[in-house]
Amino acid sequence: DIQMTQSPSSLSASVGDRVTITCRASQSINSYLNWYQQKPGKAPNLLIYAASSLQSGVPSRFSGSGSGTDFTLTISSLQPEDFATYFCQQSYSTPITFGPGTKVDIK
Amino acid sequence: QVQLQESGPGLVKPSETLSLTCTVSGGSIRSYYWSWIRQPPGKGLEWIGFIYYTGSTNYNPSLKSRVTISVDTSKNQLSLKLTSVTAADTAVYYCARDKGYCNGGNCYPLNWFDPWGQGTLVTVSS
Repeated sequence: DIQMTQSPSSLSASVGDRVTITCRASQSINSYLNWYQQKPGKAPNLLIYAASSLQSGVPSRFSGSGSGTDFTLTISSLQPEDFATYFCQQSYSTPITFGPGTKVDIK
Repeated sequence: QVQLQESGPGLVKPSETLSLTCTVSGGSIRSYYWSWIRQPPGKGLEWIGFIYYTGSTNYNPSLKSRVTISVDTSKNQLSLKLTSVTAADTAVYYCARDKGYCNGGNCYPLNWFDPWGQGTLVTVSS
């Protein structure tokens, strides 16, 4: 199985901050990396697919980059509705695996 | 737009079988892949498996011996059965759609998920 790790596990930030979350795969997954946002009590919501493609309806302040084993999710200017947990997920091979999540909360 | 709704018992006894249904509305179950994913309370996400509308499946090896996913295109539903449950199977269970893609007459999953159902909490306890 491909293991996914994320850093940091949590962070505190202020509205307007630029936030970067890192995801690393245990082996190369090319660009088969997706990002989700999850708010408490809600299902995950797809933000980015194929490492850098913005899902329809997702604000442009979200962006993704990377390939191989190292990936980043960037929020260019954090908004109040962005406080949530973010998960990466590899779609390179089954079993599909997720990172442990990064919780973004208010400083 | 397409909506997914999970349903089933919220409490299952240890050693029994967990059975859930996902009803798809606002769109057809045909031509897509459908996954079950679970999340223990306060923890991360675990992919259980997927099914294509034709009935072909792919399961997580960690659960394969206990899992069956099926589809009923006439009802626009997919189902999950997990046998011999223990407390470790307590989780919120989600169904989710994978658009997939077709090339040269063959279709493949994309393995990213949108949309998801709201999820249903299943507790395993006597």
